[in-house]
Amino acid sequence: QKEVEQNSGPLSVPEGAIASLNCTYSDRGSQSFFWYRQYSGKSPELIMFIYSNGDKEDGRFTAQLNKASQYVSLLIRDSQPSDSATYLCAVVDNAGNMLTFGGGTRLMVKP
Amino acid sequence: NAGVMQNPRHLVRRRGQEARLRCSPMKGHSHVYWYRQLPEEGLKFMVYLQKENIIDESGMPKERFSAEFPKEGPSILRIQQVVRGDSAAYFCASSPPAAGNTIYFGEGSWLTVV
Repeated sequence: QKEVEQNSGPLSVPEGAIASLNCTYSDRGSQSFFWYRQYSGKSPELIMFIYSNGDKEDGRFTAQLNKASQYVSLLIRDSQPSDSATYLCAVVDNAGNMLTFGGGTRLMVKP
Repeated sequence: NAGVMQNPRHLVRRRGQEARLRCSPMKGHSHVYWYRQLPEEGLKFMVYLQKENIIDESGMPKERFSAEFPKEGPSILRIQQVVRGDSAAYFCASSPPAAGNTIYFGEGSWLTVV
């Protein structure tokens, strides 16, 4: 059973702070990793994807991947109230077929 | 380029009725995925289809649920004899043919069983 684990939160951070969201996965052969943001009552929206070990930056977002530790994280710098949402970590299996989602972490950014 | 289109967006069914949810993938995408999200829970994989082919249905309940993606037309997720526990958001997603590609979600279909 392939599993993707996230702390459900809520994670509460003050406006302007760095929010750190973490995710672990069980399938060591996983190759592709994605972060989606989902506002209440809306569909998931892709924020970032990462394939290689290390960091990948896009604006205020940085994804970090450590395949040896089977760990992927998302950092949000200068957090804004509009970043308040549920963040879903997703992993594509080794065959490249299926996206498995974690349960999501609810982020609350307080003004 | 239109995104993934799902309809209906909201559907109300009485217990025992059938629900049909439709999904048209993005242009150029030949892979379709269905996910279910129960209230306050994460996304659960249901089924992965290519045209006229079910690739992985490991997340589909054994009874009452079926999915198809015909050569022509949208993908259909069909739920027969709905029960209250089927009330959820059903999200369709699509991706291009190459493995490991990003998948993009539709707006979802919210099923309420009364």
